[in-house]
Amino acid sequence: AQKITQTQPGMFVQEKEAVTLDCTYDTSDQSYGLFWYKQPSSGEMIFLIYQGSYDEQNATEGRYSLNFQKARKSANLVISASQLGDSAMYFCAMREGFFTGGGNKLTFGTGTQLKVEL
Amino acid sequence: GAGVSQSPRYKVAKRGQDVALRCDPISGHVSLFWYQQALGQGPEFLTYFQNEAQLDKSGLPSDRFFAERPEGSVSTLKIQRTQQEDSAVYLCASSYRDGRSSYNEQFFGPGTRLTVL
Repeated sequence: AQKITQTQPGMFVQEKEAVTLDCTYDTSDQSYGLFWYKQPSSGEMIFLIYQGSYDEQNATEGRYSLNFQKARKSANLVISASQLGDSAMYFCAMREGFFTGGGNKLTFGTGTQLKVEL
Repeated sequence: GAGVSQSPRYKVAKRGQDVALRCDPISGHVSLFWYQQALGQGPEFLTYFQNEAQLDKSGLPSDRFFAERPEGSVSTLKIQRTQQEDSAVYLCASSYRDGRSSYNEQFFGPGTRLTVL
């Protein structure tokens, strides 16, 4: 089974509108972390937001928020007031097992290509 | 301050050639990671260092891949006898904390795009 599933290969949104990028995950660990990264066409991976499995509140960072639904194992990224510069590939990633010695690598999904239009 | 740097940014190799990819992590960062990103895919974990110790190399695809971080700072990923399927972007990331932190944000370098002809 895929550890991280991103079902939207591509998304379009109009400038100034909000958009939700979907991410579901699969783990049997109780302690894990969920990350979202942005990868522009230039290639660098830019950290956006983090949600820990024990965090009771949804994470927010500026225009980014994470809709964390633990029972559904989903961690959707919401971008509010989209800007042209938000056009990029977005990756959801998970870190698990960090209390059992295996918890350092990130497991990434296949990504969602977001295009912001005028 | 300076971020993670990688060199070269682009490398073209003939099949069978050996290559060495360099990563300079952020100064003081304990953890260093290598990932391989094939075209149109998400990055996939290769190996992890905590200081100079290679604690996880479970993602290295074959014994042609070798990584080192001898002094706990700069790291080199070496690929021997390159094959066409090795063509990918190789990303290096570093983080301040060691593996016991739940947060442990990883800062990525710009990557090295390897093309094997």
